[in-house]
Amino acid sequence: QAVVTQEPSLTVSPGGTVTLTCGSSTGAVTSGHYPYWFQQKPGQVPRTLIYDTSNKHSLTPARFSGSLHGDKAALTLSGAQPEDEADYYCLLSYSGGRVFGGGTKLTVL
Amino acid sequence: QMQLVQSGPEVKKPGTSVKVSCKASGFMFSSSSIQWVRQTRGQRLEWIGWIVVGNDNTHYAQKFHQRVTITRDMSTSTAYMELSSLESEDTAVYYCAAGVRFDPWGPGTLVTVAS
Repeated sequence: QAVVTQEPSLTVSPGGTVTLTCGSSTGAVTSGHYPYWFQQKPGQVPRTLIYDTSNKHSLTPARFSGSLHGDKAALTLSGAQPEDEADYYCLLSYSGGRVFGGGTKLTVL
Repeated sequence: QMQLVQSGPEVKKPGTSVKVSCKASGFMFSSSSIQWVRQTRGQRLEWIGWIVVGNDNTHYAQKFHQRVTITRDMSTSTAYMELSSLESEDTAVYYCAAGVRFDPWGPGTLVTVAS
């Protein structure tokens, strides 16, 4: 089974910009992996932010965007807010199924 | 509104099986799919598998392939995930989520495996 890698932790200043990435042990991440991004706050259920690389859920704030960046999928947060402090998980699709990354703990400080 | 309601917490002994339900409302269950995901105590999310409700096609993660069965009952708009040969490492919160967009998510079902 493929391994999906994310930064374990990142810190961003309020109002700042940060990019979280999502890599694959099988090689470059492409649109064919249909990258997803989920946000999870403590004690809450995960919620979908981005699907199919760059498509936003209807409730996803405009400051979040998804893309392919080099050989990885990326989630960019522009203008971080205190309420964006959370765990972020990516999910990639393979022929054998779907695999989550280990998650990135984002601190807004 | 779109909603998934899951069955209550379970405590199981090693070697037994658990069956978690996920009842849908507020959307067309028959034309949707249901994903199953678990979150272990270490917080990591794991994709378990999914079912396409309309044609009953299922797809399981390799890790769970031998132990998991996902089914659905269209008469009650309910999906089920059964995991067998339970081990302590299967202690986790099990979530269902609707559609390819994983929206909405159910509230989760805590399954505890302990002797």
